[in-house]
Order: sequence, then C-alpha cells, then structure tokens
Amino acid sequence: DAEITQSPRHKITETGRQVTLACHQTWNHNNMFWYRQDLGHGLRLIHYSYGVHDTNKGEVSDGYSVSRSNTEDLPLTLESAASSQTSVYFCASGQGTTEAFFGQGTRLTVV
Amino acid sequence: AQSVTQLGSHVSVSEGALVLLRCNYSSSVPPYLFWYVQYPNQGLQLLLKYTTGATLVKGINGFEAEFKKSETSFHLTKPSAHMSDAAEYFCAVGEYGNKLVFGAGTILRVKS
Repeated sequence: DAEITQSPRHKITETGRQVTLACHQTWNHNNMFWYRQDLGHGLRLIHYSYGVHDTNKGEVSDGYSVSRSNTEDLPLTLESAASSQTSVYFCASGQGTTEAFFGQGTRLTVV
Repeated sequence: AQSVTQLGSHVSVSEGALVLLRCNYSSSVPPYLFWYVQYPNQGLQLLLKYTTGATLVKGINGFEAEFKKSETSFHLTKPSAHMSDAAEYFCAVGEYGNKLVFGAGTILRVKS
C-alpha cells in the first residue's frame, strides 16, 4: 500500500543546531507540504512543493528550508534550531484538488 | 486569503448524544472543504470532504457535514456519539493543489 512516512518520530536537539526531518511518500504525488501543529493554532503551513525542484514558502517559513530533488522526498531543515520551533511537524502529500494525506508526525523538542 | 474558524476549542457530549462541531470559512473562490480527525499521537485522517455537487456529504464513522454557501459554514454532525469518537477534529479549506488552511481544532470529549 502507498504511504507517507516521517522520520524520526521523536527528536530532542539543542538550540542552534541544524536539524533535518525526513518525509517520504510512495503515492507518487506531485504536491508535498510541511505543517507544524501548536496548541490553539491548528496546523500552519511551513513550506510546500508542487514538483521536483519547486519550493514555496508558507505562512510560517522563517527559520526553515526545504528542497525537492525527487518526487518521493521533501526534507525539512531547521537551519539553527530555536526553542520556538519546539512543535509537532506533519508532512503531507496530494494530487490535484483532492485531499492531502498525512504522515504520523515528528515531535521535535529544542532545549 | 482563505481562513477557517472553528467555534469551541472543546466540546463535551454524552455517549449517544448528538455531536455538532461548527466550522465557518472565508474564501474568495468556490471552496474545497475538509474535516480531518486526529487521535492521540497520530496523524490526521480524512473524515469527509466537499468539492462539488451534493452539499450534504457523508463520511466515515457515521459523520456527515453540510456545505451552506449562504452561511459560509461546513458544520460536522453525528447523530449518536460513541466513546471512540473522542479525538481532535480539524476543519480545513483547500486552496490550489491540496494546500490546506486549517482551523484551530476542536477537542471532542465523550462522557459515559
């Protein structure tokens, strides 16, 4: 079955370190997204991609970057982790105007 | 820009009672509307969606929602709550290419 997987599921890192969260989908979807989930805010869009070599900033992109070198993967990088980036991160993928499919999430703690 | 407002961050119902979770949206174009459910420590699962056509949409686990353009609403209902319905529910409006704008979420508690 097609799926979308995130790794790691949990990570603790120190302030100032660079961190990369992985997202891999086997749906062969063109569109991929990264969201962060925080209490009282729902999910907010960080970055998204509509295809290989395409990346776009979302609502809360400061301090984050993505790259899309193939269809399956959209890694999210925190350039210099800050305590404000402690959150649960969700990757999603989709095609056309149908629903997006979500991964299980990565819980990131910045200490 | 599109936005979603979910009225009530917490809703509590008794088992067997009606579930009503409210969602209002703003959109300058005909919207695609979604309800997702999130169980503890899990990802988001699609409950139902409205794209075009029939305004009353049926989803999984007995949930349904009605798109009312005049009220810019997409409220989620279930006639009889079950303990297993306890979760957080998110309403979302879709922009081009599955890009979603989410509401803040509503935590549903079901009392026995």
